[in-house]
Formats: sequence, C-alpha cells, structure tokens
Amino acid sequence: QKEVEQDPGPLSVPEGAIVSLNCTYSNSAFQYFMWYRQYSRKGPELLMYTYSSGNKEDGRFTAQVDKSSKYISLFIRDSQPIDTATYLCTFGAIYTQGGKLIFGQGTELSVKP
Amino acid sequence: DAGVIQSPRHEVTEMGQEVTLRCKPISGHNSLFWYRQTMMRGLELLIYFNNNVPIDDSGMPEDRFSAKMPNASFSTLKIQPSEPRDSAVYFCASSQKADNTGELFFGEGSRLTVL
Repeated sequence: QKEVEQDPGPLSVPEGAIVSLNCTYSNSAFQYFMWYRQYSRKGPELLMYTYSSGNKEDGRFTAQVDKSSKYISLFIRDSQPIDTATYLCTFGAIYTQGGKLIFGQGTELSVKP
Repeated sequence: DAGVIQSPRHEVTEMGQEVTLRCKPISGHNSLFWYRQTMMRGLELLIYFNNNVPIDDSGMPEDRFSAKMPNASFSTLKIQPSEPRDSAVYFCASSQKADNTGELFFGEGSRLTVL
C-alpha cells in the first residue's frame, strides 16, 4: 500500500462549482496535514496547514482532516479560473532523526469560465 | 524579499555532461531543500540542509549527484555525469523550521533536459 494516495485527475469544472480534492494515507505517524498549490511552471506554494482532525476554513477553501479514517480533503467553494492549478496533499511527521514531508502525486484542476 | 532564487531556469545538455544547479534561499531561513519533480514519481526530496549542514541525503539517487551549501545564502546541486533519466524539474526550497515540517518556500525550479 502506498503511503499516500491522491487521485491525479485531471478534474475539469465550470466556474462557480464546488470542488472536492481528496487524499488517503497509511502512516499513523503523520501529524501535520497540508495542501500545496502549484501553478503551471511554478513552484508549489502552501495553501492550508493543519495539525488536528476537523475542519479549517480560509476564505473559499476548507481543509478537512479525519485521522481515524486516514483521509484528508480540500474543498473549494465558488471555484474561479484562478484556481486552475495542481493541488498536492502533503503530510509531515517528526522522527527522532528529524522531520519528513511526503507529497501526494497532485490533482490537476481546471476551472473553466 | 525576492523569494527563493534558482538558476538556470532551463538547461538542455547532452548525456555525460556536468550540470550545476544553483539556489539562493530566503534570507534568515535555516533549512534548505532540494526536490526533484517528474510526472512518474511526483515531488521527491533529494537532500536537505539545516544551518548549512546536510541532515538527510537519503533521497540522492546515486553518486552522480552531489549537493553543497558553503554558506547560508547559496547552495548547489551537481550531476556528473548526467543521464537522460535525470531529466526533471529540480526545485530548491527554504524554511524557517529546522525539522522539515514547516512551510516550505519553493523557487520556480530548474527544468533540466538531458539528451
């Protein structure tokens, strides 16, 4: 079983749609849950960061973490063409020898005007 | 701040040639990371430094790859000799946190093509 599973898409939605992006993971040691957004030909940038189960909202974005099911989601409300990008779920854990970040493969999202 | 600066943005070279990628992290950031991104394997950590000291180089594919950080404001990733399978986008990132779990600030990447 892969440590992180993310549907690669591509996902195409009309402007204004609600988008749901999802990842599952298998490593119980993950303590930090993040979503990075990567525009075409750019580096990833942090979008959302959370430590605990539950929901975290920031504008049109909501990050949801369910540790018991080992599942995280990113919801985008009222999607806009500017949201067209690849979204990477990212997991962090701290071990005695240092931290570890694992990135999902990324879901490519296209929002059509 | 200008962010993480990488050079060159694009490099096309022939198999067997030496490639050197350069990175200037954000001033004041203590950790620097080199990642490689391909369609097949996604984003992979190659090596990271904390206070200029290599902490984890387990992701470096083989001896052909080497990385240095001579000071807090500069790092290089060298591939010698290069091979076609090294073709990828190489990202440098920096962070204020030492334990590789904080927010990473990525550069725009160096797109390497080895013919």
